Amino acid sequence: AQRVTQPEKLLSVFKGAPVELKCNYSYSGSPELFWYVQYSRQRLQLLLRHISRESIKGFTADLNKGETSFHLKKPFAQEEDSAMYYCASGDSGNTPLVFGKGTRLSVIA
Amino acid sequence: DTGVSQDPRHKITKRGQNVTFRCDPISEHNRLYWYRQTLGQGPEFLTYFQNEAQLEKSRLLSDRFSAERPKGSFSTLEIQRTEQGDSAMYLCASSLARGLAGYNEQFFGPGTRLTVL
Repeated sequence: AQRVTQPEKLLSVFKGAPVELKCNYSYSGSPELFWYVQYSRQRLQLLLRHISRESIKGFTADLNKGETSFHLKKPFAQEEDSAMYYCASGDSGNTPLVFGKGTRLSVIA
Repeated sequence: DTGVSQDPRHKITKRGQNVTFRCDPISEHNRLYWYRQTLGQGPEFLTYFQNEAQLEKSRLLSDRFSAERPKGSFSTLEIQRTEQGDSAMYLCASSLARGLAGYNEQFFGPGTRLTVL
């Protein structure tokens, strides 16, 4: 069974500092990996997905199959990045997502 | 179309009562998913539909839970004889699945928060 692990419940960084939110997955096949974000009082929304290899709001995430990781990174944190971040995996074919427990990012001014 | 909508947004009920939630997906989306989220946890899959067909149910979905998507559009999730452990946020999501390959974004609704007293 798929499993997604986010080891940090809370991550606090100062504005302008680099951010890395960790995500490890366990899956025997080739999963699709995603980062979802939930800002205060907003719904869960997709931040980025590994196959698109794009940078969204300055965030990037690289899939490392050897380490089974998909860490989310941003070189300079902004206050508006404060939110709940969830790593998720899914099979190809639009199957249901398996989510990690989430990491709350708090960016301190 | 303003996205996935869910109704009600909040529901407080007494233990043993039945509750029903509704989800309206994005109109052209053929896949509809139900997740449950409890405090400190990420969303956990409950069940999902392709059009009106229910494709999979999680082991989390006890016999007290039933979901339908009768015309392949909106969906309902009913919980019978609610228990305090059913208290959670119930999330609905939808996506447009084209064939077996690839993965399209799931768009989430605002959720229905259930409190069982």
